[in-house]
Amino acid sequence: AQSVTQLGSHVSVSEGALVLLRCNYSSSVPPYLFWYVQYPNQGLQLLLKYTTGATLVKGINGFEAEFKKSETSFHLTKPSAHMSDAAEYFCAVSGVGGSYIPTFGRGTSLIVHP
Amino acid sequence: NAGVTQTPKFRVLKTGQSMTLLCAQDMNHEYMYWYRQDPGMGLRLIHYSVGEGTTAKGEVPDGYNVSRLKKQNFLLGLESAAPSQTSVYFCASSKAGGPMANEQFFGPGTRLTVL
Repeated sequence: AQSVTQLGSHVSVSEGALVLLRCNYSSSVPPYLFWYVQYPNQGLQLLLKYTTGATLVKGINGFEAEFKKSETSFHLTKPSAHMSDAAEYFCAVSGVGGSYIPTFGRGTSLIVHP
Repeated sequence: NAGVTQTPKFRVLKTGQSMTLLCAQDMNHEYMYWYRQDPGMGLRLIHYSVGEGTTAKGEVPDGYNVSRLKKQNFLLGLESAAPSQTSVYFCASSKAGGPMANEQFFGPGTRLTVL
């Protein structure tokens, strides 16, 4: 079974600082990879995704992620944090073994200090 | 387009009571899913459906039943609610076939408390 590990249940940064949220997956076959964001009291919405092609993927709100097959990682970054980025972030993987049912990580709460 | 909608938004039940959560989507998606979200546990899949009239168990199906009588609707039922079912429930939908199938669209959630 595939699994997704998000290192750190909480990440705290200052406004303007680099944001780095880590995601590792367990699969020898390149899967489909996603980052979702959940703002307080809302559902999840897609931030960005990797399916095929370019390994550096750009998403909404200045976020990007890089698929690194050798490291089985898909870390999410943003050069400069904004207060509005405070939210819960979920990494997800699917497509392993032909299954379209995604597996989600446990989430990382991003805290942005003024 | 309304996207994915969920009814109700909030509900408080007593132990042993039953209820049905309704999910509706207007994107003509084939796949629909029910998740529960608990602190520190992420999203856990309860049941899912790959088409009208078909359902399948997910990671945590015990205590829940589902039905997909119409393509646009996916119902989640609790026959005898237990305090352990206190959670936030999310419905999601996605297309079938190809990479795009994997992108899920989520509803706003239903916050359920079982006393």
